Amino acid sequence: EAQVTQNPRYLITVTGKKLTVTCSQNMNHEYMSWYRQDPGLGLRQIYYSMNVEVTDKGDVPEGYKVSRKEKRNFPLILESPSPNQTSLYFCASSPARYLTSYEQYFGPGTRLTVT
Amino acid sequence: AQKITQTQPGMFVQEKEAVTLDCTYDTSDQSYGLFWYKQPSSGEMIFLIYQGSYDEQNATEGRYSLNFQKARKSANLVISASQLGDSAMYFCAMREDYGGATNKLIFGTGTLLAVQP
Repeated sequence: EAQVTQNPRYLITVTGKKLTVTCSQNMNHEYMSWYRQDPGLGLRQIYYSMNVEVTDKGDVPEGYKVSRKEKRNFPLILESPSPNQTSLYFCASSPARYLTSYEQYFGPGTRLTVT
Repeated sequence: AQKITQTQPGMFVQEKEAVTLDCTYDTSDQSYGLFWYKQPSSGEMIFLIYQGSYDEQNATEGRYSLNFQKARKSANLVISASQLGDSAMYFCAMREDYGGATNKLIFGTGTLLAVQP
């Protein structure tokens, strides 16, 4: 089954304790992305990756890091989480073809609470 | 700057009736794609429908259709024969196709739809 998986699904942590949210896709997609969802703001892109070892900032990258060492994995790293990073996080993947009616496949989401 | 506007924070509709969720967009790009996603209370993002900027026909997928008015920069979602399971948050999103680089989606703030029996 084609899917994007994220772990953990729920996480409560404390300020400053480093954490990693994993994301993996089994569709051999080139493009992967992280979004955060906040009430009244919709989803905003944090980082994206066009392929292995190619990453770039999205609209709200402060406080986050990513890496793309393998095509299937795109972990999101919070080196020193703060309460304003409490949010619902989505990983998404898609083929890197921009002129076709393809969708982005979203993971199930990770609900993060930083106290 | 590219932007998606959804002006209806919440809507009610009676079961079996049709409902239109509004979406307007702003872009200077000629090539772009418009998407609608559904987010039920369980939280996952479910792709509903896509419309390309060069598509002359309005997109349809089952009970979903996209009323695309390019000159007005609107991409409204029409759900026909609403069902209780349609109760969810609905997001309009846009992807600009410039340069073949990023596949970034720009999202609106969403419309919360409640279907009443």
